[in-house]
Amino acid sequence: DTAVSQTPKYLVTQMGNDKSIKCEQNLGHDTMYWYKQDSKKFLKIMFSYNNKELIINETVPNRFSPKSPDKAHLNLHINSLELGDSAVYFCASSEFKGDRVLSDTQYFGPGTRLTVL
Amino acid sequence: KQEVTQIPAALSVPEGENLVLNCSFTDSAIYNLQWFRQDPGKGLTSLLLIQSSQREQTSGRLNASLDKSSGRSTLYIAASQPGDSATYLCAVRGFQKLVFGTGTRLLVSP
Repeated sequence: DTAVSQTPKYLVTQMGNDKSIKCEQNLGHDTMYWYKQDSKKFLKIMFSYNNKELIINETVPNRFSPKSPDKAHLNLHINSLELGDSAVYFCASSEFKGDRVLSDTQYFGPGTRLTVL
Repeated sequence: KQEVTQIPAALSVPEGENLVLNCSFTDSAIYNLQWFRQDPGKGLTSLLLIQSSQREQTSGRLNASLDKSSGRSTLYIAASQPGDSATYLCAVRGFQKLVFGTGTRLLVSP
């Protein structure tokens, strides 16, 4: 069974469109993350949710809106897509809870390659 | 603001060599340091996690060390194999988030 899954794997769309990426983890973790990996392969955190509550928002444009319907899911919705949004987006999960380190090993999904034309 | 740097950016070695990848970070107030591997077109796979109170961790042919006071970590790979070819990323965990390094792209040739 896949621990962290993302759909779709590839997403090609036009500028100005709205799109969503879904993420699910079956590890029972409380904390989920969205990361963006740019063309230079630099990986940077965008959002973190703990038990459906937003705990990190790293100065990401408000066109990006994460939604966590339950602690096993963290979806990413992007409005009015721009060329600069093209990147690989990774979802991840761990057991880190605030300032209590339980088992902080992060498990990553396979990534979603977004291309905005 | 935490900054994480990895040296070298790329490394090419023949099979069988022992090698060391370096990671440095600017803020020593960390919970842990993690090493990941990323294969082309794939997600990240966790290799080792060193808690801030620990000095090293080992897994098979991999050994990671942590010197928190000097802001450094090394990943030692023994007897490298072509299957070790990948990009290796280190990341430090501060309060709430993981900050990633720039990565070292490793190529092990047969």
